Amino acid sequence: DAGVTQSPTHLIKTRGQQVTLRCSPKSGHDTVSWYQQALGQGPQFIFQYYEEEERQRGNFPDRFSGHQFPNYSSELNVNALLLGDSALYLCASSSPETTGPLHFGNGTRLTVT
Amino acid sequence: DQQVKQNSPSLSVQEGRISILNCDYTNSMFDYFLWYKKYPAEGPTFLISISSIKDKNEDGRFTVFLNKSAKHLSLHIVPSQPGDSAVYFCAASGAYGGSTLGRLYFGRGTQLTVWP
Repeated sequence: DAGVTQSPTHLIKTRGQQVTLRCSPKSGHDTVSWYQQALGQGPQFIFQYYEEEERQRGNFPDRFSGHQFPNYSSELNVNALLLGDSALYLCASSSPETTGPLHFGNGTRLTVT
Repeated sequence: DQQVKQNSPSLSVQEGRISILNCDYTNSMFDYFLWYKKYPAEGPTFLISISSIKDKNEDGRFTVFLNKSAKHLSLHIVPSQPGDSAVYFCAASGAYGGSTLGRLYFGRGTQLTVWP
């Protein structure tokens, strides 16, 4: 049973560029949440997708956007990258049908230079 | 504003002893609490949880205690093992179950080191 998978593992971008990160949820899960973990911090909620729509959003600017596909996989897009966007981006999946905890992927390490 | 706080960035414990990790929260609407463990280069792994209707939950060597009046929870690991060395995150949610569980508020984590 595959868990949450994320790609790529590492990414280096330049300020001003755009980036797309990808996530496939755990089998049986249909809800995907994205978190940003900056160095020395806990994960911060970016947004959550369910039924291909953004259902909740944290305190992140509009430069952060996402998408969920019919197969429940998801993308996180960040435009006009800033140095401060350098972080570990974590994807987590869950399902409204269960009360279990979030399952996280191993993350994508984004470095903005 | 940090709604979940872990005030100890690090904890060092000898193997076989008890490890106690603490967490405080400010939002009284939180009613579901979780502990995650994180190794370098991996995502957080769920460890144990507790809902606000309980004050204790136990799973093997891990026990979580919740004191709602003090808005405080703690994770006890007994006995501690070197493989427990990791960063431990406390997290809280405002709704038990359902898709709203997707929004978790995390503390900054505590680095636990268990030495032989």
